Amino acid sequence: RKEVEQDPGPFNVPEGATVAFNCTYSNSASQSFFWYRQDCRKEPKLLMSVYSSGNEDGRFTAQLNRASQYISLLIRDSKLSDSATYLCVVNKGGAGNQFYFGTGTSLTVIP
Amino acid sequence: DAGVIQSPRHEVTEMGQEVTLRCKPISGHDYLFWYRQTMMRGLELLIYFNNNVPIDDSGMPEDRFSAKMPNASFSTLKIQPSEPRDSAVYFCASSFLQGIGYGYTFGSGTRLTVV
Repeated sequence: RKEVEQDPGPFNVPEGATVAFNCTYSNSASQSFFWYRQDCRKEPKLLMSVYSSGNEDGRFTAQLNRASQYISLLIRDSKLSDSATYLCVVNKGGAGNQFYFGTGTSLTVIP
Repeated sequence: DAGVIQSPRHEVTEMGQEVTLRCKPISGHDYLFWYRQTMMRGLELLIYFNNNVPIDDSGMPEDRFSAKMPNASFSTLKIQPSEPRDSAVYFCASSFLQGIGYGYTFGSGTRLTVV
């Protein structure tokens, strides 16, 4: 079983739509969670951390459900510039605390 | 801050040749990571260092791959001999305190093609 699993998509949505991505993780000891954004042929960039209580950054809302071991990202009022691949990231937990990256969910926002 | 700097940006080499990828982490970051990204497998952690010391190299595919970090501002990933299946984008990332609460900062990557 993969450490982090995401629906690869693609998600094609019209401008202004609301879109949500989910991600599941396998290690219940994981403590740190992030969403990264990766544009085509570019490096991944940190979009936002995910906190236990849920957090919002403008049009983006991230939530964590520890009981079900999943993380979500909600994008409201989608813009053309939101088109990218969104990577879910979870730490290993415990000693040797490296991060695992999901394979990403592709989003295309259509005019 | 210049960010994480990788070189070269692109590398095309023939099978059997030695390839060396370079990385300069962000000053003050005490963790450095080497990742490989392919369409099929996504981002895979190859090795990471803490204070210039290799901590976990279990992701290194085989003995053809080696990595060094001689000082806090420089790391190399070497493939010798290279094979076509090594073709991928290789990213270096650095972080402070293992990225807890902060995540990683990635370099722009080296796109390696082995023909």
